[in-house]
Amino acid sequence: KQEVTQIPAALSVPEGENLVLNCSFTDSAIYNLQWFRQDPGKGLTSLLLIQSSQREQTSGRLNASLDKSSGRSTLYIAASQPGDSATYLCAVISVGNQFYFGTGTSLTVIP
Amino acid sequence: GAVVSQHPSWVICKSGTSVKIECRSLDFQATTMFWYRQFPKQSLMLMATSNEGSKATYEQGVEKDKFLINHASLTLSTLTVTSAHPEDSSFYICSASISRGPANYGYTFGSGTRLTVV
Repeated sequence: KQEVTQIPAALSVPEGENLVLNCSFTDSAIYNLQWFRQDPGKGLTSLLLIQSSQREQTSGRLNASLDKSSGRSTLYIAASQPGDSATYLCAVISVGNQFYFGTGTSLTVIP
Repeated sequence: GAVVSQHPSWVICKSGTSVKIECRSLDFQATTMFWYRQFPKQSLMLMATSNEGSKATYEQGVEKDKFLINHASLTLSTLTVTSAHPEDSSFYICSASISRGPANYGYTFGSGTRLTVV
């Protein structure tokens, strides 16, 4: 069974710093990988989707990479802002649309 | 973009009553809908997968008679928590895959429903 791990579980950085969130998965036979953010008590907001044939995706200050062979993905956030404070979840999607979520990284950006 | 509207956003009910949660895809057809629950400080756990017009497939450990899922149309899926108990209090989120032909554009999520059973 696919297992998804996110490190660190929590991260606190001063405003303006660049940061990297890590996601690792045990089964490289994935269909897609998707990064989300979740604000307290709210649903999920999709950030970036990486197809299995792609190596990275970029949107604004966010860049996500995917290395299927090593079972890793990273989410890079440039010039962090207080509004980036949230929980970031990565989800591995297997063939058949089965989602496997990591436990998330709780990010706090200090003004 | 593809949007899934989920409601209610929060509900408080008494033990023993049933609660229905609806998810509607607003501008696309959701052939497949997923239902998740999330306990505090934990990640999402898939409860079931529903395909339009057929019975839902439940994950191991999820009581199908307690969590009734109906996906009667391509734009509406419902989750009914029957005879709710306090341990059913949780955050429930639906999700739909965004597919156009053979291409998959990821997944969109509803805004979630906070259920509190008292």
